[in-house]
Amino acid sequence: EIVLTQSPGTLSLSPGERATLSCRASQSVSSTYLAWYQQKPGQAPRLLVSGASNRATGIPDRFSGSGSGTDFTLTISRLEPEDFAVYYCQQYGRSLWTFGQGTKVEI
Amino acid sequence: QVQLQESGPGLVTPSQTLSLTCTVSGASISGGGYYCSWIRQHPVEGLEWLGYIYYSGTTSYNPSLKSRVIISLDTSKNQFSLRLSSVTAADTAIYYCASMPATNFWYFDLWGRGTLVTVSS
Repeated sequence: EIVLTQSPGTLSLSPGERATLSCRASQSVSSTYLAWYQQKPGQAPRLLVSGASNRATGIPDRFSGSGSGTDFTLTISRLEPEDFAVYYCQQYGRSLWTFGQGTKVEI
Repeated sequence: QVQLQESGPGLVTPSQTLSLTCTVSGASISGGGYYCSWIRQHPVEGLEWLGYIYYSGTTSYNPSLKSRVIISLDTSKNQFSLRLSSVTAADTAIYYCASMPATNFWYFDLWGRGTLVTVSS
C-alpha cells in the first residue's frame, strides 16, 4: 500500500498570503493518479485538482498543483477567507485508493 | 446536476451489520458513466476508501476490510448500498458515498454529504 504523508500538519497564514502544501508518497505515484481535495467543517471533501495539476471544474486559478514521482505540491497563490480548510492528497495504485492525513490551513 | 445522498441508521450495535444506501439523482447508475464508491472518515485515522461497484456488478474492496464489506446495486431505484458486518467501535465514522468517472476512475469527483454512524451498545 502506498502511504501519503502530508506536511505541515497545520499551516497558520493570513488572507492574501501564499500557501504551499506538500504530499510525499512512500513509492512513486503516476502524476495521472494524484488528486487534491478541500474539506470544510461539516462538509464532504471537494475535488480541487486531478492528474496532479488539472483544476476541477469551477476551481479558481489561485489553486495550482505540481509534482511528480514521490513529491507533490498544492499551492494557493493568495489565500481568500473561504480557503481556510483542511486539504487532502489522494492517490490510486494497484487497485487501491489512499489518502494523506491532511493539512489544516488556518488563520 | 448529479447528487448523491446517503441514508441509514446512525447507531449500530457492536457485532451487528452496518447498512447504508446511497441514492443517486440526476444520472442513471445503469448508464455506466461512473463507479460508485464508499469512503469513510474516522476522527483520527482520516479518510479510507472501502470499495466500489460498477453498473455491470463488478466490485472491488479495500483488502483491509474485504472479508466484512459488500457493496451492491439496485438499478431500479438508482441506488447502491454498503453492508459492513461484525462492526466494532473502530467502525464509528462518517460514511460517504462518492463517484469516480468511468474513464478516469482514479479520483472522486462527486460526494454525498456523509452520514455519521456510531457503533455502540
